Amino acid sequence: ETGVTQSPTHLIKTRGQQVTLRCSSQSGHNTVSWYQQALGQGPQFIFQYYREEENGRGNFPPRFSGLQFPNYSSELNVNALELDDSALYLCASSSGGGTAFFGQGTRLTVV
Amino acid sequence: SQQGEEDPQALSIQEGENATMNCSYKTSINNLQWYRQNSGRGLVHLILIRSNEREKHSGRLRVTLDTSKKSSSLLITASRAADTASYFCATRGNYGQNFVFGPGTRLSVLP
Repeated sequence: ETGVTQSPTHLIKTRGQQVTLRCSSQSGHNTVSWYQQALGQGPQFIFQYYREEENGRGNFPPRFSGLQFPNYSSELNVNALELDDSALYLCASSSGGGTAFFGQGTRLTVV
Repeated sequence: SQQGEEDPQALSIQEGENATMNCSYKTSINNLQWYRQNSGRGLVHLILIRSNEREKHSGRLRVTLDTSKKSSSLLITASRAADTASYFCATRGNYGQNFVFGPGTRLSVLP
């Protein structure tokens, strides 16, 4: 049990729709990162938030956006969903550059 | 581009045997971490090794790091069927940035 919780666990959306995924970070952790993992591949970095500010972004288009709240929980929003957005979305929390703890992920299916 | 690359991509062994997985990376790092993932679920942290360390142990796990060769290895001794999973190495730079993951090694431990 990592203390990082994600919701929902599974989600099915239609192409063109918008989706919001949520993550509660582990107590004491001020950094949240989001990753996309396609089937059979390693996680790909989407973006990272530190104390409510985005401080790093991977190679994802602007329709992937996020927020971090004062309690350090976070949201990932994806607009104009495409079929290729179908993946496991993972949230990780950490403090500084130490160990990152991952949630169980949200499985998004776009049809 | 992905920095970590695990080798082999897939490994099948008998219960009781040792399993060795390797990871190579391209740029300087602050630390390297190994994670396990069961069947598309979240990532479970196994062990962190810092750039100034050469070897770490945790139970049946042994991790080595060779910064001159930019490589790391994960050894699982006396493997069990429950060790069947995908294993990923993840590297982190010197400024608390995001992790860069490799494509993983899929380990199958046969009873």
